[in-house]
Amino acid sequence: GEDVEQSLFLSVREGDSSVINCTYTDSSSTYLYWYKQEPGAGLQLLTYIFSNMDMKQDQRLTVLLNKKDKHLSLRIADTQTGDSAIYFCAESRMNNNAGNMLTFGGGTRLMVKP
Amino acid sequence: EPEVTQTPSHQVTQMGQEVILHCVPISNHLYFYWYRQILGQKVEFLVSFYNNEISEKSEIFDDQFSVERPDGSNFTLKIRSTKLEDSAMYFCASSLGQGQPQHFGDGTRLSIL
Repeated sequence: GEDVEQSLFLSVREGDSSVINCTYTDSSSTYLYWYKQEPGAGLQLLTYIFSNMDMKQDQRLTVLLNKKDKHLSLRIADTQTGDSAIYFCAESRMNNNAGNMLTFGGGTRLMVKP
Repeated sequence: EPEVTQTPSHQVTQMGQEVILHCVPISNHLYFYWYRQILGQKVEFLVSFYNNEISEKSEIFDDQFSVERPDGSNFTLKIRSTKLEDSAMYFCASSLGQGQPQHFGDGTRLSIL
């Protein structure tokens, strides 16, 4: 079945850039997402990219997609202490059924040191 | 900004009892989902719902589980005869259309004793 993998932990200093990586196996993935989860909170949609795109930028966030290698990354510029959270990569594919299930990675815990 | 709302935030139930988890999706969304996250594990898809019927379900979503949209705003997940291994965080999500991003609620933490 489909699988999405992420590294468990990333530590950066405030002001540096963070890069969180994700690999997936489903070559028919249509959309790839990044969600953020702060302690005790739900999954907040950060950004997403359609599979025919290579890059998407949204303020401090840059998503890069290498479809050949099935590799997705999220770069956070000028990382702040408020960015400390767990970041989940997820993929979905269009199918004939209504709705499209998300397959999640295990999450990367980002710790930002002052 | 519209939100997905889930209640209760924490539910404690005795093993063998039935539990109903409640969700109010974003009002103009048409697709509804339930996911769960067992402590220390990945977020797992349970079921998707569209046009008043289940459109897709995972192997986890067996006869113990059911979903319902009893009125125009609520979307519920019922778990019958709960087991210890049903303890998890349950997330509801909704999307405007197929392929549109899914927006999640804050989750209900279900603890089975």
